[in-house]
Amino acid sequence: AQSVTQLGSHVSVSEGALVLLRCNYSSSVPPYLFWYVQYPNQGLQLLLKYTTGATLVKGINGFEAEFKKSETSFHLTKPSAHMSDAAEYFCAVSLYQAGTALIFGKGTTLSVSS
Amino acid sequence: DVKVTQSSRYLVKRTGEKVFLECVQDMDHENMFWYRQDPGLGLRLIYFSYDVKMKEKGDIPEGYSVSREKKERFSLILESASTNQTSMYLCASTRTAASSYEQYFGPGTRLTVT
Repeated sequence: AQSVTQLGSHVSVSEGALVLLRCNYSSSVPPYLFWYVQYPNQGLQLLLKYTTGATLVKGINGFEAEFKKSETSFHLTKPSAHMSDAAEYFCAVSLYQAGTALIFGKGTTLSVSS
Repeated sequence: DVKVTQSSRYLVKRTGEKVFLECVQDMDHENMFWYRQDPGLGLRLIYFSYDVKMKEKGDIPEGYSVSREKKERFSLILESASTNQTSMYLCASTRTAASSYEQYFGPGTRLTVT
């Protein structure tokens, strides 16, 4: 069965510092992988996704993530945090079958201080 | 532009009331989903539908039912609302033939049952 683990329910960084949000998955086959962001009182917005091909994926707002099959990880990074990055971030996985629901991690809340 | 709308952003209902949450998508997507989001638990799948009049139970279907009479609309029904159903409800949709299976989310309905 697939599962997603996000290490750290809260991460705090200073403005300008590196952002690293960790995600590990468990799957019998390499899944499709996603990072979503949720700003307060809003729905989820796709940040980036990995399906096939290049393992380093670039997304919106300067975020990127690297798929590492050997480590079953898909960590999200951003070189320099901005105050507007404060939000909740969700990692999710999906099998190849179209139309199946995503399996989400429990989320990581990112706080950015000035 | 892709759009998923939910009928209410905030809803307050009394225990025992029958509650309808409506979701509409304008992307001609075959698959629609209802998730429940609670702090520290991430998103959990309640029900999903892969076609009109078709439905499948998710991880936490107890106390809920759904209806999909038209392709663009997917309704979540709380037959007799209880306080433990106070939560944020998120609707999502995706295309069956999509190459990446990313889901598009509505803004959410924050339901309070008193």
